Order: sequence, then C-alpha cells, then structure tokens
Amino acid sequence: ELKVEQNPLFLSMQEGKNYTIYCNYSTTSDRLYWYRQDPGKSLESLFVLLSNGAVKQEGRLMASLDTKARLSTLHITAAVHDLSATYFCAVDSVNNNDMRFGAGTRLTVKP
Amino acid sequence: DTAVSQTPKYLVTQMGNDKSIKCEQNLGHDTMYWYKQDSKKFLKIMFSYNNKELIINETVPNRFSPKSPDKAHLNLHINSLELGDSAVYFCASSQDYSFGEQFFGPGTRLTVL
Repeated sequence: ELKVEQNPLFLSMQEGKNYTIYCNYSTTSDRLYWYRQDPGKSLESLFVLLSNGAVKQEGRLMASLDTKARLSTLHITAAVHDLSATYFCAVDSVNNNDMRFGAGTRLTVKP
Repeated sequence: DTAVSQTPKYLVTQMGNDKSIKCEQNLGHDTMYWYKQDSKKFLKIMFSYNNKELIINETVPNRFSPKSPDKAHLNLHINSLELGDSAVYFCASSQDYSFGEQFFGPGTRLTVL
C-alpha cells in the first residue's frame, strides 16, 4: 500500500525564518506534488516534481525530489505571514492506480 | 471562468436521506476525482473516472456512487446518509488517467444531522 508521511504536522515559525517540510513515501514513484490549502478553501497546486533531482522554486518556496530516498522537501525561505496555510504532498503510483496525500503540514507564520 | 465547479457549496441534511453533489470541469481534462476531507483535514481519494470508466474505487461504502454523464461531469450520489459522512467533499480533474497534477473544485461541506 502506498503510504505518504509528512513532518512536521504543525509548524509555527517567525517571519523571516527558514524551515523545511519533509515528505516521505513508501513506494517507487517518480511523481510527487505539493499543494497548498488556505483555511476553508480548496487545494491549489504548487509544484509538480516528475524526476529524480527535480527542483522547482516559486517565490519563497522551493521543492525538491529524491526518488532514491523516496523523499521530497519543501523549503521555506524568509517566511512571511501570507505563507500561513496547510501544505500537502501527494504521490501517485501509476502502476497500482493509486494516489495518496500526506496528512498535511499546518504552517503558521507569526509576525 | 471557473475551471472546476461544484454545487452545492454547503449541504445540511438529516440522517437517512439521499443527496447528490454535482461537479463540472471546463478544462477538457480526461479524468475526474472525488475526495473526502475529514475534520482533521486528512484527504482520501474516493473515486476517479476516466472517459466514463471507473479506474479506481477506494474502499468506500457502496452507499456512495459516482455518476458521470459525460467527460466534463462527475456527480457523487450518496444514499442513506450517516453522521460519519459529514466532511468536505472535493471534486478534482487532471489531464489524463495517469493522475498527474490535479485541479480542485471549491469543495462541498456536507453536514449530516
């Protein structure tokens, strides 16, 4: 069974600080996704990582994928309040017709 | 233009009732999905449809039945609603059946009393 684990589940940080969210998964997959969800809102796609070593950056967020370690990271640089949201990673297993989301990391950036 | 839309946004109903949630996407995508998000924000895929064919069916109760009249629509029908069905239900779509990046609808908050 495909399993996806995120940590931390809760993250409170000060503005201006850096931090990393981790996403581990249990099966071979070259496709990993990061989504953002604001309170009471839908999910918004942030990054699509399709190969080993893939790195993508958008503003203060940078995502990377290591398929050998079955690990993706979402790095936050110089956090600002607007980044407060829940971040989900998701992995699909095309061969098994399965897709799983991590439990989400609820990020709060304090002024 | 809304890419993925759902109706209704809120649904409050009594136990035992039957209800439907509608979903439409105007992205020209081939695959649509239904997810359930519980009170702890955990997301679970329920169904996905590709060209009107069910290609994944999680172990959800058979009270839940997806219906797809065409490629742009995937409705969720729920029979005999139970308290535990209370959640937010999201519809999503992707370009093809190999999952990929998904675009989510605004969600339907279902409350069963």
